[in-house]
Amino acid sequence: AQSVTQPDIHITVSEGASLELRCNYSYGATPYLFWYVQSPGQGLQLLLKYFSGDTLVQGIKGFEAEFKRSQSSFNLRKPSVHWSDAAEYFCAATGTASKLTFGTGTRLQVTL
Amino acid sequence: GAGVSQSPSNKVTEKGKDVELRCDPISGHTALYWYRQSLGQGLEFLIYFQGNSAPDKSGLPSDRFSAERTGGSVSTLTIQRTQQEDSAVYLCASSLSGGPGGQNIQYFGAGTRLSVL
Repeated sequence: AQSVTQPDIHITVSEGASLELRCNYSYGATPYLFWYVQSPGQGLQLLLKYFSGDTLVQGIKGFEAEFKRSQSSFNLRKPSVHWSDAAEYFCAATGTASKLTFGTGTRLQVTL
Repeated sequence: GAGVSQSPSNKVTEKGKDVELRCDPISGHTALYWYRQSLGQGLEFLIYFQGNSAPDKSGLPSDRFSAERTGGSVSTLTIQRTQQEDSAVYLCASSLSGGPGGQNIQYFGAGTRLSVL
């Protein structure tokens, strides 16, 4: 079955520190991959996407993600976290079907 | 509007009542999706509409759930005889077109928080 796994339920980092959120997928073929962010009471906002080509993709708010086929991973990174980055982050994938399969999310807490 | 609009933002209902949740997609988007976000199950796909094609209902959890999309735009998700386990946030998304590829970026509304007492 197709699945997306986010191993870390909750991560705490200090403001200014670097961040890496993990995402692994299990699909028959390379899926289309996404990272979304959700602030409390808000919908999901797209941070970045990978469809094909360059395996390092840049997104909004200074985020980037690297696709690694050999590891079936699509980890999200940010060099320096800001307090406003505190939110829940979802990795998602879709294949030939249009519906997204989501990971369970990682809640990011930023300490000042 | 500029984004996906959902109403109401919050809905409290009694067990056994029917509820209707509304979604206005981004103008010009032909694909529309409903997802459910709950504490126990995370984010789950419910149903997908693409143009005039038959909807993909594969994610609907029971026959108490139904959805329609009128005129290729507004969609209504109906839950009949609500149960406490239906309590969740219901998210709607739209995309320029369905299917894989660069146009299938889904934009989400803020959701409707449903509480069944």
